[in-house]
Amino acid sequence: DTGVSQDPRHKITKRGQNVTFRCDPISEHNRLYWYRQTLGQGPEFLTYFQNEAQLEKSRLLSDRFSAERPKGSFSTLEIQRTEQGDSAMYLCASTQASAYNEQFFGPGTRLTVL
Amino acid sequence: QKEVEQNSGPLSVPEGAIASLNCTYSDRVSQSFFWYRQYSGKSPELIMSIYSNGDKEDGRFTAQLNKASQYVSLLIRDSQPSDSATYLCAVKGLGNTPLVFGKGTRLSVIA
Repeated sequence: DTGVSQDPRHKITKRGQNVTFRCDPISEHNRLYWYRQTLGQGPEFLTYFQNEAQLEKSRLLSDRFSAERPKGSFSTLEIQRTEQGDSAMYLCASTQASAYNEQFFGPGTRLTVL
Repeated sequence: QKEVEQNSGPLSVPEGAIASLNCTYSDRVSQSFFWYRQYSGKSPELIMSIYSNGDKEDGRFTAQLNKASQYVSLLIRDSQPSDSATYLCAVKGLGNTPLVFGKGTRLSVIA
Protein backbone atom coordinates (compact mmCIF):
# COMPACT_ATOMS: atom_id res chain seq x y z
CA ASP A 1 0.00 0.00 0.00
CA THR A 2 1.62 3.26 -1.08
CA GLY A 3 -0.95 5.63 0.42
CA VAL A 4 -0.73 7.82 3.51
CA SER A 5 -0.81 5.82 6.73
CA GLN A 6 -1.60 6.93 10.26
CA ASP A 7 -1.18 5.25 13.60
CA PRO A 8 -3.06 4.60 15.80
CA ARG A 9 -6.44 4.60 14.14
CA HIS A 10 -8.23 5.11 17.43
CA LYS A 11 -7.07 6.49 20.75
CA ILE A 12 -9.04 6.81 23.95
CA THR A 13 -7.35 8.71 26.75
CA LYS A 14 -8.18 10.41 29.99
CA ARG A 15 -8.12 14.16 30.37
CA GLY A 16 -4.67 15.42 31.25
CA GLN A 17 -2.78 12.62 29.54
CA ASN A 18 -0.37 13.14 26.65
CA VAL A 19 -0.93 11.47 23.29
CA THR A 20 1.19 11.14 20.17
CA PHE A 21 0.07 10.32 16.65
CA ARG A 22 2.19 9.26 13.70
CA CYS A 23 1.77 9.90 9.99
CA ASP A 24 3.71 8.27 7.16
CA PRO A 25 3.18 10.20 3.90
CA ILE A 26 3.32 8.92 0.36
CA SER A 27 7.03 8.33 -0.16
CA GLU A 28 7.73 10.86 -2.92
CA HIS A 29 5.67 13.64 -1.29
CA ASN A 30 7.66 16.41 0.35
CA ARG A 31 4.75 18.29 1.95
CA LEU A 32 2.83 16.96 4.91
CA TYR A 33 -0.22 18.55 6.51
CA TRP A 34 -2.10 17.97 9.74
CA TYR A 35 -5.81 18.76 10.00
CA ARG A 36 -8.44 18.32 12.71
CA GLN A 37 -12.05 17.46 11.95
CA THR A 38 -15.00 17.48 14.33
CA LEU A 39 -18.49 16.19 13.64
CA GLY A 40 -20.36 18.21 11.03
CA GLN A 41 -17.33 20.32 10.13
CA GLY A 42 -14.79 20.24 7.35
CA PRO A 43 -11.15 19.56 8.15
CA GLU A 44 -9.39 22.52 9.79
CA PHE A 45 -5.73 23.17 9.06
CA LEU A 46 -3.32 22.77 11.97
CA THR A 47 0.21 22.83 10.56
CA TYR A 48 2.33 21.75 7.62
CA PHE A 49 5.87 20.73 6.76
CA GLN A 50 7.92 20.97 3.64
CA ASN A 51 10.57 18.31 4.06
CA GLU A 52 11.66 18.68 7.70
CA ALA A 53 10.78 22.38 8.04
CA GLN A 54 7.55 23.35 9.76
CA LEU A 55 6.41 26.27 7.60
CA GLU A 56 3.08 27.31 9.04
CA LYS A 57 1.00 26.78 12.16
CA SER A 58 -2.65 27.67 12.58
CA ARG A 59 -3.88 29.82 15.44
CA LEU A 60 -5.89 26.70 16.34
CA LEU A 61 -2.65 25.03 17.38
CA SER A 62 -2.30 25.86 21.07
CA ASP A 63 0.93 25.52 23.01
CA ARG A 64 -0.16 22.04 24.03
CA PHE A 65 0.23 20.85 20.46
CA SER A 66 3.59 20.15 18.89
CA ALA A 67 4.49 18.53 15.60
CA GLU A 68 7.73 17.26 14.17
CA ARG A 69 8.95 15.77 10.96
CA PRO A 70 12.50 14.57 11.55
CA LYS A 71 14.48 13.87 8.38
CA GLY A 72 11.53 14.92 6.28
CA SER A 73 9.89 11.52 6.35
CA PHE A 74 7.20 10.56 8.88
CA SER A 75 5.64 13.14 11.18
CA THR A 76 4.36 13.06 14.74
CA LEU A 77 1.70 15.21 16.37
CA GLU A 78 1.75 15.36 20.16
CA ILE A 79 -0.98 16.76 22.36
CA GLN A 80 0.01 17.42 25.95
CA ARG A 81 -2.45 17.62 28.86
CA THR A 82 -5.38 16.59 26.70
CA GLU A 83 -8.76 18.25 27.18
CA GLN A 84 -12.21 16.99 26.24
CA GLY A 85 -12.33 19.63 23.51
CA ASP A 86 -9.41 17.88 21.81
CA SER A 87 -11.70 14.98 20.90
CA ALA A 88 -11.73 14.90 17.11
CA MET A 89 -10.44 13.09 14.04
CA TYR A 90 -6.83 14.04 13.35
CA LEU A 91 -6.06 13.80 9.67
CA CYS A 92 -2.74 13.78 7.89
CA ALA A 93 -2.38 14.60 4.20
CA SER A 94 0.58 14.69 1.87
CA THR A 95 1.38 16.21 -1.50
CA GLN A 96 4.23 16.86 -3.85
CA ALA A 97 4.92 20.59 -3.86
CA SER A 98 3.56 21.98 -7.10
CA ALA A 99 1.24 24.64 -8.36
CA TYR A 100 -1.70 22.26 -7.89
CA ASN A 101 -1.12 20.84 -4.43
CA GLU A 102 -3.44 17.86 -4.66
CA GLN A 103 -3.52 16.53 -1.11
CA PHE A 104 -4.16 12.89 -0.28
CA PHE A 105 -5.41 12.00 3.16
CA GLY A 106 -4.57 9.14 5.45
CA PRO A 107 -7.29 7.19 7.30
CA GLY A 108 -7.10 9.50 10.33
CA THR A 109 -6.71 8.98 14.05
CA ARG A 110 -9.89 9.31 16.06
CA LEU A 111 -9.13 10.72 19.50
CA THR A 112 -11.59 10.47 22.37
CA VAL A 113 -10.72 12.30 25.57
CA LEU A 114 -12.75 11.13 28.57
CA GLN B 1 -10.94 35.19 7.14
CA LYS B 2 -11.07 32.95 4.09
CA GLU B 3 -14.39 31.14 3.88
CA VAL B 4 -15.83 28.33 1.85
CA GLU B 5 -19.58 27.94 1.96
CA GLN B 6 -21.62 24.86 1.15
CA ASN B 7 -25.24 23.94 1.74
CA SER B 8 -25.13 21.30 4.47
CA GLY B 9 -28.04 19.34 3.02
CA PRO B 10 -29.08 16.64 3.09
CA LEU B 11 -29.52 16.64 -0.64
CA SER B 12 -31.69 13.72 -1.66
CA VAL B 13 -31.81 12.51 -5.26
CA PRO B 14 -33.28 9.35 -6.78
CA GLU B 15 -30.99 6.72 -8.21
CA GLY B 16 -30.00 7.56 -11.78
CA ALA B 17 -30.59 11.31 -11.40
CA ILE B 18 -28.03 14.11 -11.56
CA ALA B 19 -26.82 15.41 -8.21
CA SER B 20 -25.65 19.04 -8.19
CA LEU B 21 -23.44 20.25 -5.36
CA ASN B 22 -22.45 23.88 -4.99
CA CYS B 23 -19.72 25.84 -3.25
CA THR B 24 -18.81 29.51 -2.98
CA TYR B 25 -15.56 30.97 -1.68
CA SER B 26 -14.53 34.34 -0.36
CA ASP B 27 -10.85 34.65 -1.38
CA ARG B 28 -10.83 36.13 -4.87
CA VAL B 29 -7.22 35.09 -5.54
CA SER B 30 -7.91 31.40 -4.92
CA GLN B 31 -6.10 29.24 -7.45
CA SER B 32 -6.98 25.60 -6.96
CA PHE B 33 -10.29 23.92 -6.19
CA PHE B 34 -10.97 20.40 -5.03
CA TRP B 35 -13.87 18.11 -4.28
CA TYR B 36 -13.46 15.39 -1.71
CA ARG B 37 -15.90 12.59 -0.89
CA GLN B 38 -16.14 11.47 2.72
CA TYR B 39 -18.06 8.43 3.85
CA SER B 40 -19.26 8.38 7.44
CA GLY B 41 -16.39 7.62 9.80
CA LYS B 42 -13.80 7.66 7.02
CA SER B 43 -11.27 10.19 5.80
CA PRO B 44 -11.74 12.49 2.78
CA GLU B 45 -11.00 11.03 -0.66
CA LEU B 46 -10.00 13.34 -3.50
CA ILE B 47 -12.36 12.91 -6.46
CA MET B 48 -11.92 16.05 -8.58
CA SER B 49 -9.60 19.02 -8.94
CA ILE B 50 -10.08 22.07 -11.16
CA TYR B 51 -7.84 25.07 -11.76
CA SER B 52 -9.27 27.09 -14.65
CA ASN B 53 -12.69 28.41 -15.55
CA GLY B 54 -15.05 26.02 -17.28
CA ASP B 55 -15.90 22.36 -16.96
CA LYS B 56 -13.74 19.35 -16.22
CA GLU B 57 -15.18 15.87 -16.66
CA ASP B 58 -13.99 12.59 -15.17
CA GLY B 59 -16.33 9.65 -15.62
CA ARG B 60 -19.66 10.44 -13.97
CA PHE B 61 -18.24 13.55 -12.30
CA THR B 62 -18.07 17.06 -13.75
CA ALA B 63 -16.52 19.97 -11.89
CA GLN B 64 -17.44 23.49 -12.94
CA LEU B 65 -15.52 26.64 -11.99
CA ASN B 66 -16.51 30.28 -12.37
CA LYS B 67 -13.84 32.48 -10.81
CA ALA B 68 -15.70 35.71 -11.58
CA SER B 69 -18.64 34.49 -9.49
CA GLN B 70 -16.34 32.72 -6.99
CA TYR B 71 -18.36 29.59 -7.49
CA VAL B 72 -17.46 25.95 -8.01
CA SER B 73 -19.82 23.04 -8.44
CA LEU B 74 -19.78 19.27 -8.78
CA LEU B 75 -22.25 17.33 -10.89
CA ILE B 76 -22.68 13.60 -10.41
CA ARG B 77 -24.47 11.91 -13.30
CA ASP B 78 -26.36 8.62 -12.99
CA SER B 79 -26.20 8.87 -9.19
CA GLN B 80 -25.83 5.56 -7.36
CA PRO B 81 -26.63 4.67 -3.74
CA SER B 82 -22.87 4.22 -3.28
CA ASP B 83 -22.48 7.95 -3.99
CA SER B 84 -24.26 8.68 -0.69
CA ALA B 85 -21.64 10.54 1.33
CA THR B 86 -20.60 14.01 2.42
CA TYR B 87 -18.92 16.05 -0.32
CA LEU B 88 -16.34 18.57 0.81
CA CYS B 89 -15.31 21.57 -1.26
CA ALA B 90 -11.73 22.75 -0.65
CA VAL B 91 -10.02 25.87 -1.93
CA LYS B 92 -6.36 26.83 -2.07
CA GLY B 93 -5.03 30.36 -2.41
CA LEU B 94 -1.74 31.64 -3.78
CA GLY B 95 1.61 30.18 -2.81
CA ASN B 96 1.98 27.78 0.09
CA THR B 97 -1.40 28.47 1.68
CA PRO B 98 -3.22 25.47 3.14
CA LEU B 99 -6.55 24.17 1.91
CA VAL B 100 -9.67 25.79 3.32
CA PHE B 101 -12.61 23.40 3.49
CA GLY B 102 -16.33 23.95 3.56
CA LYS B 103 -18.46 22.06 6.05
CA GLY B 104 -19.60 19.66 3.37
CA THR B 105 -22.90 18.73 1.74
CA ARG B 106 -24.48 15.44 2.69
CA LEU B 107 -25.80 13.60 -0.37
CA SER B 108 -28.32 10.80 -0.13
CA VAL B 109 -29.10 8.76 -3.26
CA ILE B 110 -32.37 6.92 -2.86
CA ALA B 111 -32.70 3.53 -4.60
